[in-house]
Amino acid sequence: SQTIHQWPATLVQPVGSPLSLECTVEGTSNPNLYWYRQAAGRGLQLLFYSVGIGQISSEVPQNLSASRPQDRQFILSSKKLLLSDSGFYLCAWSVLAGEKLFFGSGTQLSVL
Amino acid sequence: AQSVTQPDIHITVSEGASLELRCNYSYGATPYLFWYVQSPGQGLQLLLKYFSGDTLVQGIKGFEAEFKRSQSSFNLRKPSVHWSDAAEYFCAVGTNDYKLSFGAGTTVTVRA
Repeated sequence: SQTIHQWPATLVQPVGSPLSLECTVEGTSNPNLYWYRQAAGRGLQLLFYSVGIGQISSEVPQNLSASRPQDRQFILSSKKLLLSDSGFYLCAWSVLAGEKLFFGSGTQLSVL
Repeated sequence: AQSVTQPDIHITVSEGASLELRCNYSYGATPYLFWYVQSPGQGLQLLLKYFSGDTLVQGIKGFEAEFKRSQSSFNLRKPSVHWSDAAEYFCAVGTNDYKLSFGAGTTVTVRA
């Protein structure tokens, strides 16, 4: 069966520090991969999605970047965190475009 | 681009009473429609989905939703709410371009 792993579960980082959140999927090949952010009082916002290795699409201009170095690995990064980067980050995957997502357990990021 | 509106930010319902959560979407074609639930301290879980066919969809935990094309709606219902249904509920619309757009969410509080 397929599983998705996301870590760390919580992270507290100072403003200006770098960020690296990692997500891996097991049990499937060539998944569509996604990074979402859930900010307090707001819904889930799609940040990045990837349909293959090295293929990244950004949905909103921001301080973050994403990379897909391997088929089932998706990384969310920042060179210098901002206060506004605080939030709950969710990695997800799907088999087909636009269809149901399978979510990781999320990372609560607090930038202080 | 598609969009999703959940008009109710917060709903309080008594245990045993019925529940209806509203969802309206904007999309040029027939979308894929989803309801997800996020319980406190847990990740997102798919409740039900609509792709085509019967417009009344049955999901897990006793939930159902009805797709009404004329109203661009996909409202979620449950005849009798349990205390464990207290959570945040997200409606989402998927298209064939890899993106799943979420509404802002509705928080459900269940009172004894």
